[in-house]
Order: sequence, then structure tokens, then C-alpha cells
Amino acid sequence: DGGITQSPKYLFRKEGQNVTLSCEQNLNHDAMYWYRQDPGQGLRLIYYSQIVNDFQKGDIAEGYSVSREKKESFPLTVTSAQKNPTAFYLCASSMIGQTSGANVLTFGAGSRLTVL
Amino acid sequence: AQSVTQLDSQVPVFEEAPVELRCNYSSSVSVYLFWYVQYPNQGLQLLLKYLSGSTLVKGINGFEAEFNKSQTSFHLRKPSVHISDTAEYFCAVSDRGASKIIFGSGTRLSIRP
Repeated sequence: DGGITQSPKYLFRKEGQNVTLSCEQNLNHDAMYWYRQDPGQGLRLIYYSQIVNDFQKGDIAEGYSVSREKKESFPLTVTSAQKNPTAFYLCASSMIGQTSGANVLTFGAGSRLTVL
Repeated sequence: AQSVTQLDSQVPVFEEAPVELRCNYSSSVSVYLFWYVQYPNQGLQLLLKYLSGSTLVKGINGFEAEFNKSQTSFHLRKPSVHISDTAEYFCAVSDRGASKIIFGSGTRLSIRP
């Protein structure tokens, strides 16, 4: 089945440690996204990428980094510079262009990060 | 910069009553508009979308939304809700031709029997 796989589902880290969240899609989508979900704040865009080897900052990129070396993969690293990293992280992908599916997001199941 | 406002963080309604969840966006340029639903302990799924054409858009589970360009709104409606509609609803917007997609803060719909 086509979809998006995020791992791990739950992750605990100590303060000062970097952690990388995995996101893989087999939908052949060009665009991939990372959002952070906090209660009462909805989904906030961290980074997005429209093409391999290129990505753009979203509204809350500070303390995060990404890479897009393959079309299928868009890992997110939460660095020690992120002041409040405990959150639920959602990866998504979409087609781009003029199709009826353009910008329609397919989401992964999410990764919950807790900083101890 | 584009932004999305969902004024109601929580909306309680009785079962079989109508409901409207409000969404306003900031930009007046051509946009794509979306509503997503997140059921308890589940991921987000698309409810409906407006890309072009008719301003009244119908989605899954009996929901519909109307695009109003002059008021920069995209309110979600259902004439009669069910217990199974209990969920959090998110409005999202992107500029036409752009890939950046911004979400609102969400509205939690709770249905009373």
C-alpha cells in the first residue's frame, strides 16, 4: 500500500542531544513537509521541500534541520538548539503542479518526541 | 505572509443539530483551501478542498464548505451532526501555484447526545 512511514513512533531524549526523525513515502510525491503539532496551536510548518536537494524554511525552522537526498525520504533532525522540542511531529507529502491532487497532503502517523 | 484563523477553539453541539466551523485566511491572492479532520488518536485526513470552480465544495461524511473571496473565508458546515463527528478540524491554505501550506490552530468539535 502506498503511504508515508514515520519512525520512531515514540522517542525520548535527554536535553542537549540531537535526534533524527525518519519520514519515507512511496507515493511518488514531489513535495514533502514537516509539521509540529502542539495542543491549541494546530500544525506549524517547520520545513518543506519541493524537489530533491532543495528545501525551504517554514514558520518555526529554528532549532531544526532537514535533508532531501532522495525523493522518497525527508528526515528531520531536532537539534539541541530547539528550546522546547517536546511535541508531536507530523510528516506529509503531496503532488505539485496543476493536477486535482496538487497540495493535497497525505500524512504519516506521527512521531511523539519527549525531552526528559 | 499567509495566515489562517480559526476563531473557535471548541464548538459543542447537540447530536442532529447543524454546525458551522469558521475559517478565515489573510491573503486575497488566488488560493487553494482545505479542511482536514483528525479523529481521536488518529492521523489527519482530507475532508474537502477548494482549488477552483464552484465556490460550494462538498466533502466526505456530509460536510460542505463555501469559499467567499470577498470575506476571505472558507467556513465548514454540516446540517446534522452525529456522535462520530467528534474530532478536531483544521483549515489550511496555500497560495495558488505555491507549495507552502499553512494550517489554522484547529477547532475541537464535541457532540452531546
